[in-house]
Amino acid sequence: DAGVTQSPTHLIKTRGQQVTLRCSPKSGHDTVSWYQQALGQGPQFIFQYYEEEERQRGNFPDRFSGHQFPNYSSELNVNALLLGDSALYLCASTLEGALGGELFFGEGSRLTVL
Amino acid sequence: RKEVEQDPGPFNVPEGATVAFNCTYSNSASQSFFWYRQDCRKEPKLLMSVYSSGNEDGRFTAQLNRASQYISLLIRDSKLSDSATYLCVVISGGGADGLTFGKGTHLIIQP
Repeated sequence: DAGVTQSPTHLIKTRGQQVTLRCSPKSGHDTVSWYQQALGQGPQFIFQYYEEEERQRGNFPDRFSGHQFPNYSSELNVNALLLGDSALYLCASTLEGALGGELFFGEGSRLTVL
Repeated sequence: RKEVEQDPGPFNVPEGATVAFNCTYSNSASQSFFWYRQDCRKEPKLLMSVYSSGNEDGRFTAQLNRASQYISLLIRDSKLSDSATYLCVVISGGGADGLTFGKGTHLIIQP
């Protein structure tokens, strides 16, 4: 049973560039949430996708956008990168209707912006 | 006051000791509570849910105090492998945006 997989695991970008991160949810899960975790902080909710639509969004600017595909996989796009975007980006999957706190995380994509 | 607060630590504890730490929350209408464990440079993983009546899973005990608005995690007979960051999660609302993580408490078990 494949868990949540994310790619790439590490990447380095420069300010102003754009980045795309990818996530495949755990088998059987249909809902994907993205989180940003800065060093020494807890994960911060970016947005959630269900049925290929953004269902909820946290307090992040429009530079952060996403997409969900028919196979439930998802992408996170960040435009015009800032130094402060350096963080671990975590994807979490759940099954719609499951207990809200039961999140299954991927290992994350560690983004460094220089 | 922040929504969810945790003492960041680190808590340095000798192997075999008992350690406990709390997580306070500001929204009295919060509904659900969880503890997650995060190893260094790894993803968070669900450790246990926190029920109103308290719950125990082996050496781990979680409790909820609604009157004082905090949850606690107690670890007995601590092992070296318990070294990690423990994140509390509070749900206040029906959507994913109502789920808030604390910053985590860093625990170091020393031999």
